Amino acid sequence: AQSVTQPDIHITVSEGASLELRCNYSYGATPYLFWYVQSPGQGLQLLLKYFSGDTLVQGIKGFEAEFKRSQSSFNLRKPSVHWSDAAEYFCAVGAYGDMRFGAGTRLTVKP
Amino acid sequence: EPEVTQTPSHQVTQMGQEVILRCVPISNHLYFYWYRQILGQKVEFLVSFYNNEISEKSEIFDDQFSVERPDGSNFTLKIRSTKLEDSAMYFCASSPGTSGGARTDTQYFGPGTRLTVL
Repeated sequence: AQSVTQPDIHITVSEGASLELRCNYSYGATPYLFWYVQSPGQGLQLLLKYFSGDTLVQGIKGFEAEFKRSQSSFNLRKPSVHWSDAAEYFCAVGAYGDMRFGAGTRLTVKP
Repeated sequence: EPEVTQTPSHQVTQMGQEVILRCVPISNHLYFYWYRQILGQKVEFLVSFYNNEISEKSEIFDDQFSVERPDGSNFTLKIRSTKLEDSAMYFCASSPGTSGGARTDTQYFGPGTRLTVL
């Protein structure tokens, strides 16, 4: 069965610092991987997705993610974090329309 | 930009009552979904809907839940007899269904309905 693990519940970084959020997945076939962001009181906004092809995926708001099949990982990165990036980030794996989400990583940005 | 809308934003109900959560998916989308997020927990898939029938459902989606597309625009989730543990944020999502099916589609999420069961 597909599943997603986000090992870090909460991460704090300083504004301007780089960021990496970890995501590991378990899925028997070719995974379809997504990163969503949820600001407080808001819905889920898609940051980026991977289906096939180039394993480095560019998304919105300056985010990127790299698919590594050998490590079953799809980590999200940003070179320089802004205060507005403070939110909850969810990694998800999709199969036949039923997306399975990780538990989320809450990002706090220090001034 | 088209978006998924949900009403109401917050619903308070008594245990045992029926509730209907409403969603208006993006107009040309073919796949519709409901998810829930219990406070502080992960987002959980409930059900997907295509061509006027359920295509996938999770173990959470038991007999107390039902979905319907009563007209060409609305997509509803009904909870027949609410329990305290049904208190959660419920998200509706839709996807276009143009990429060979739901697998590779991007799902667009609504802002959610917060359901509080007292």
